[in-house]
Amino acid sequence: GQQVMQIPQYQHVQEGEDFTTYCNSSTTLSNIQWYKQRPGGHPVFLIQLVKSGEVKKQKRLTFQFGEAKKNSSLHITATQTTDVGTYFCAGRSDFNKFYFGSGTKLNVKP
Amino acid sequence: KAGVTQTPRYLIKTRGQQVTLSCSPISGHRSVSWYQQTPGQGLQFLFEYFSETQRNKGNFPGRFSGRQFSNSRSEMNVSTLELGDSALYLCASSFRDHGYNEQFFGPGTRLTVL
Repeated sequence: GQQVMQIPQYQHVQEGEDFTTYCNSSTTLSNIQWYKQRPGGHPVFLIQLVKSGEVKKQKRLTFQFGEAKKNSSLHITATQTTDVGTYFCAGRSDFNKFYFGSGTKLNVKP
Repeated sequence: KAGVTQTPRYLIKTRGQQVTLSCSPISGHRSVSWYQQTPGQGLQFLFEYFSETQRNKGNFPGRFSGRQFSNSRSEMNVSTLELGDSALYLCASSFRDHGYNEQFFGPGTRLTVL
């Protein structure tokens, strides 16, 4: 069935290093959303991408939606300790189903 | 604007019991979705309600059920609890059908089944 896969599962970086998480779907998505969940917290919406090839930036965060609308990425430049958490992608399929990826847990060492 | 609220925040039950969790969405939001979060399985979608109608359902057994009231508040019920039901249950509300725009999550209810 439809699944949204996310890699890597875990990422440990030194503060200042870059970080990227990838999201892949087996079918075309009508949109992709990204959420961040801090340890002990709940997911918080970051951004939504809708158009093929769309790129959006939020300060040090860059989000991309693939041309085929089957994959997406989140890139963080120069990580900080405040970036620690789990990043989830979530996408809506053409069959009106909404799926969360498995998440990438980011740990940043100061 | 008040955020999504969930009650209770923590719950301890024993196997075989049943439990009801409550979620109050952000004012004006008509869509409420429920998720189960466990360390091993991540965020698993349970169901979505929009204007009192169940619009989508995840792959969970019939022991998991829900409903939505006319004021958009939603309840989730789990009957005949099993040890594997121990999890953080998150509710999220959105203005439109879930997946069309951002979802606002509540703090969750941490359920422990002994």
